Amino acid sequence: SQKIEQNSEALNIQEGKTATLTCNYTNYSPAYLQWYRQDPGRGPVFLLLIRENEKEKRKERLKVTFDTTLKQSLFHITASQPADSATYLCALEWGSQGNLIFGKGTKLSVKP
Amino acid sequence: EAGVAQSPRYKIIEKRQSVAFWCNPISGHATLYWYQQILGQGPKLLIQFQNNGVVDDSQLPKDRFSAERLKGVDSTLKIQPAKLEDSAVYLCASSSGFESPLHFGNGTRLTVT
Repeated sequence: SQKIEQNSEALNIQEGKTATLTCNYTNYSPAYLQWYRQDPGRGPVFLLLIRENEKEKRKERLKVTFDTTLKQSLFHITASQPADSATYLCALEWGSQGNLIFGKGTKLSVKP
Repeated sequence: EAGVAQSPRYKIIEKRQSVAFWCNPISGHATLYWYQQILGQGPKLLIQFQNNGVVDDSQLPKDRFSAERLKGVDSTLKIQPAKLEDSAVYLCASSSGFESPLHFGNGTRLTVT
């Protein structure tokens, strides 16, 4: 069965640095991959989508890469701020019906 | 646009009792999802509707969970009887189709004692 892993449960970085989060998957080739942000007590909020034929996507301080050979996506937040502190979820398209399978998430803490 | 509405926000019940959650998706979104999120885990899909038809319910424990979306708009998820391991946040999401982002409600936090 398909498996999705986010490389660390928690990541602590200093304000102003670049945060890099990793998402690895096995046993599947998704048509696209999405990243979400989740704050405590709230539902996930969509950030970016990247398709299998796209290498990189950017949105303001966010950048996502998608390497279908390595079966890996990297999510970068540049010039990180304490307000970026949250859990970030990677989600793979599954089954051609718009289903998403989510990873466990990485909790990012940005210290001032 | 108004977001996905869910109620109640919190629910505490004893094991073997029943409970129901309600969801109103974003207007015009044909696809509705129910996810279960256990503390420290990512959301796990329980059921997906396309209009009022079920697309995927392969991970729904059908001996105790049921869901319906009768008029293709709002939806209800029911658990009967509840078990301790059902303690989780139940998230409803909607989308306008394939590749479209999922819009989540803030969920119902269920505690089974």
